[in-house]
Amino acid sequence: TQLLEQSPQFLSIQEGENLTVYCNSSSVFSSLQWYRQEPGEGPVLLVTVVTGGEVKKLKRLTFQFGDARKDSSLHITAAQPGDTGLYLCAGVDNYGQNFVFGPGTRLSVLP
Amino acid sequence: DSGVTQTPKHLITATGQRVTLRCSPRSGDLSVYWYQQSLDQGLQFLIQYYNGEERAKGNILERFSAQQFPDLHSELNLSSLELGDSALYFCASSVGVKNIQYFGAGTRLSVL
Repeated sequence: TQLLEQSPQFLSIQEGENLTVYCNSSSVFSSLQWYRQEPGEGPVLLVTVVTGGEVKKLKRLTFQFGDARKDSSLHITAAQPGDTGLYLCAGVDNYGQNFVFGPGTRLSVLP
Repeated sequence: DSGVTQTPKHLITATGQRVTLRCSPRSGDLSVYWYQQSLDQGLQFLIQYYNGEERAKGNILERFSAQQFPDLHSELNLSSLELGDSALYFCASSVGVKNIQYFGAGTRLSVL
């Protein structure tokens, strides 16, 4: 079983601050996805990264896939209370057999 | 709107009872996944079906069962309910067995 680890587990910051959360594995993934889940709602797909070293931007969110395709990061610039939620990374293992989720980073942005 | 429909949205029942949760996948998706999420926890994978057949099993209790019907909708059956079964239950669907998953809004189960 290929595991995805996420750090930090919890993060509480003030509005306007920048932050980075990480998703790591000892195994290679053919692609990684980032989801955001708001309380009481289902996870919503934010982005998919496929190529090692790939960087994708979604407004104030920047996603990067590691060169070796074993890790990914999500950087948020000037965080806003609306960014509050559970951020989950997920990936398809390199054998193309399984889609696994990390445990998530719970972000709280205080006004 | 993800295109995945889950019913009911809320369910309140008593210990020892049995409930059925329903999921309609996105049009064209053949895979359905079920997840359990307890308060402030991550997603716990329960089971996956692909085109009517069970494909993968996760941490699903023997009291729980699921099936996918010919029209591709799926049902998750929870029996002999316990207080600890109170959670959000999510269904997700994807085109194939390893594609990106799209989630429904979930069913909140409260066992009293």
